[in-house]
Amino acid sequence: EPEVTQTPSHQVTQMGQEVILRCVPISNHLYFYWYRQILGQKVEFLVSFYNNEISEKSEIFDDQFSVERPDGSNFTLKIRSTKLEDSAMYFCASGAVADTQYFGPGTRLTVL
Amino acid sequence: GENVEQHPSTLSVQEGDSAVIKCTYSDSASNYFPWYKQELGKRPQLIIDIRSNVGEKKDQRIAVTLNKTAKHFSLHITETQPEDSAVYFCAATLWGNEKLTFGTGTRLTIIP
Repeated sequence: EPEVTQTPSHQVTQMGQEVILRCVPISNHLYFYWYRQILGQKVEFLVSFYNNEISEKSEIFDDQFSVERPDGSNFTLKIRSTKLEDSAMYFCASGAVADTQYFGPGTRLTVL
Repeated sequence: GENVEQHPSTLSVQEGDSAVIKCTYSDSASNYFPWYKQELGKRPQLIIDIRSNVGEKKDQRIAVTLNKTAKHFSLHITETQPEDSAVYFCAATLWGNEKLTFGTGTRLTIIP
């Protein structure tokens, strides 16, 4: 059964540095998402992406964040200048339809 | 925006007994309600979902019920087994909105 994959599984970075989190969605899916989960808190929506553009973003997804689908398989989340409060588990998800979403294993981002 | 409340935060049941987790949502327009299971260190796994045009859906030992009038939905697990131990998240969205709003999670422990 195909699954969403994410790399790296754990990323440690210094405050102010740029990070890129990578995702490979399920191959025939058209909808792509990023969520994050701060330790001990609920999963929070960041952004959705469809037809090569952002379709919705949350208030968390400010100018420091960007997403890109650079080729037919990858979907990336970039954080330009990381802050301590960006430390969280970041989940990529994809779906063939607009609501049913399948999650990747996550990238744990630690900002020091 | 949508707000989803989930109860209880922790639940322990004897193996073989049933478990029920409840969620309420605030936006009466929401019409898609998935449930995710997250084992320690693993991805959130979609286990069952329900749309607002039905009141109940079953898949083997798990079932979800929806009460649109009261704006709540529940996950029922019967004949619980040790492998059911995990954190369970409910979520809600309006089809086409794409953004899932999650509950805070329930840590279910099955006692052998």
